[in-house]
Amino acid sequence: DTAVSQTPKYLVTQMGNDKSIKCEQNLGHDTMYWYKQDSKKFLKIMFSYNNKELIINETVPNRFSPKSPDKAHLNLHINSLELGDSAVYFCASSQLSGGDYNEQFFGPGTRLTVL
Amino acid sequence: DAKTTQPNSMESNEEEPVHLPCNHSTISGTDYIHWYRQLPSQGPEYVIHGLTSNVNNRMASLAIAEDRKSSTLILHRATLRDAAVYYCILKSYGGSNYKLTFGKGTLLTVNP
Repeated sequence: DTAVSQTPKYLVTQMGNDKSIKCEQNLGHDTMYWYKQDSKKFLKIMFSYNNKELIINETVPNRFSPKSPDKAHLNLHINSLELGDSAVYFCASSQLSGGDYNEQFFGPGTRLTVL
Repeated sequence: DAKTTQPNSMESNEEEPVHLPCNHSTISGTDYIHWYRQLPSQGPEYVIHGLTSNVNNRMASLAIAEDRKSSTLILHRATLRDAAVYYCILKSYGGSNYKLTFGKGTLLTVNP
């Protein structure tokens, strides 16, 4: 069973389009994250939700809007896509409350290419 | 977040031990030392973490200097599957510090 899953795995789209990436975790965790890994392989956090509430927003353009319908899902919607949005996006989850060291489990990534 | 310094790359031979160093001279008393690795075309995965004492798990060992200003991740017998980028990350607990701040990491190449 996949612990953290993302769909789609690959996403190719034109500049200006709006797209969504979905993430689901079946670990029962209370916290989920979105990370972006650019072409230089730097991995940087974008957002984090704890119990469906936003707890981290790392100065990401407001074209990016995360949505957490429940604790097991954290989707990422991107409006007006730009060339610079091309990257691999990773979803992750962890258990904050009651956990001792907050190990994060990552999904397989979604490679977004904006043409 | 306190900063870590790692070599850009290291090379090892299969079935030999690998020692991956990390310097963190500005570590604070509440910082834990975490190691994650990222295999090619995959998401990062947790390897090990520690605070003051050396730690062992099924994947690796973590040796922490007495002054905590450096640490070493030890892979006892490298396999080809261990070829990955290894990230050393400092993470404090309590408050609202939930995030992992990844540096450049060390690219480990394992030769057959």
